[in-house]
Amino acid sequence: AQTVTQSQPEMSVQEAETVTLSCTYDTSESNYYLFWYKQPPSRQMILVIRQEAYKQQNATENRFSVNFQKAAKSFSLKISDSQLGDTAMYFCAFMSYNQGGKLIFGQGTELSVKP
Amino acid sequence: DARVTQTPRHKVTEMGQEVTMRCQPILGHNTVFWYRQTMMQGLELLAYFRNRAPLDDSGMPKDRFSAEMPDATLATLKIQPSEPRDSAVYFCASRQTGSYNEQFFGPGTRLTVL
Repeated sequence: AQTVTQSQPEMSVQEAETVTLSCTYDTSESNYYLFWYKQPPSRQMILVIRQEAYKQQNATENRFSVNFQKAAKSFSLKISDSQLGDTAMYFCAFMSYNQGGKLIFGQGTELSVKP
Repeated sequence: DARVTQTPRHKVTEMGQEVTMRCQPILGHNTVFWYRQTMMQGLELLAYFRNRAPLDDSGMPKDRFSAEMPDATLATLKIQPSEPRDSAVYFCASRQTGSYNEQFFGPGTRLTVL
């Protein structure tokens, strides 16, 4: 069974600075996707970024980028130029190619961006 | 602007009552998921359907929970009888089958069982 671990329950960062959220996962599969979701106080789950395991190049989306280390089973999220609107819970998630698209989530990291 | 809708957004009920939560997936999406979010367990998958057929409901307590898709535009999650430990936020999500296709989440139903 796959597991996803986020070891940082809470983090804080000053506005305009950079912060990195950690995620590790465990799987015996070789084909899968990894995701970071953002959940602001509104509760809405918002996809931030995704990474396909077969791609060596790290995904980037504007101020968000990942450091994907497949051998180490590590998938960290870097947020550059942090903004107040980035304050939210962030969830790392795993999806196997072969399990119908279901997501397995980590426990989440609560990020506070301070002015 | 296509989105997943869920009703009700909030529900407060007494222990022992039946609760029904509804979800309308995005038109054209053929896979629907139900997740539950609690402080203790985080986000966990309860059940999911493809083309209205249940694929996996192993995350669901079978004695009191049931999930169905009466048609392609409606998914339901029922709890009977409800218990205080069922208090949580229940999310529905949908996607179109395809390895790269994003899963879109509804706004969730916050259930409180007294």
